[in-house]
Amino acid sequence: DQQVKQNSPSLSVQEGRISILNCDYTNSMFDYFLWYKKYPAEGPTFLISISSIKDKNEDGRFTVFLNKSAKHLSLHIVPSQPGDSAVYFCAARGYNFNKFYFGSGTKLNVKP
Amino acid sequence: NAGVTQTPKFQVLKTGQSMTLQCAQDMNHNSMYWYRQDPGMGLRLIYYSASEGTTDKGEVPNGYNVSRLNKREFSLRLESAAPSQTSVYFCASGDRVRNQPQHFGDGTRLSIL
Repeated sequence: DQQVKQNSPSLSVQEGRISILNCDYTNSMFDYFLWYKKYPAEGPTFLISISSIKDKNEDGRFTVFLNKSAKHLSLHIVPSQPGDSAVYFCAARGYNFNKFYFGSGTKLNVKP
Repeated sequence: NAGVTQTPKFQVLKTGQSMTLQCAQDMNHNSMYWYRQDPGMGLRLIYYSASEGTTDKGEVPNGYNVSRLNKREFSLRLESAAPSQTSVYFCASGDRVRNQPQHFGDGTRLSIL
């Protein structure tokens, strides 16, 4: 049973517009959430994270929002650039264990 | 800075052969992980090592064994490879105490015929 779900396998956005990637989770014990970006033939690269005590974290063009009551996480990229085209994974870690659970990924295509 | 290094990058095996995937990190992280990535499945945890000297099963441990050789190195062994183990394998390291995210290697692409 997947504890972290990304229900959109793909997303296509025009350059300069906002990209919104979504993620849902089921375990209320998760305390730390992350987004990773992955290019073909490379390993995932850490992008941004958020602790469960916050509801928003920004880093340049990237903002992660956390809605604990809805068990929902989203990543906003503004403005989107062609170099952002990649697969994005969300991940979550539980408070009292050392494991991370990953979603199945969303492939973002930013069109020039 | 090498980060997380995995060897080999590619491998083709025949069913029943054995193989060890190697992973080393130079970031002084306490925890290390092995994942497999399959189409539509995301990253699934095979085994992890919270600290030197400990290992624990993840979501999909069957058919695999691991060894945490020292703080830097964490290996994954397939004793008798099966076609269902064809996948891309990623090693990662991290440090929970310092709340650091995981850092990944570039993967090993393994095909089992």
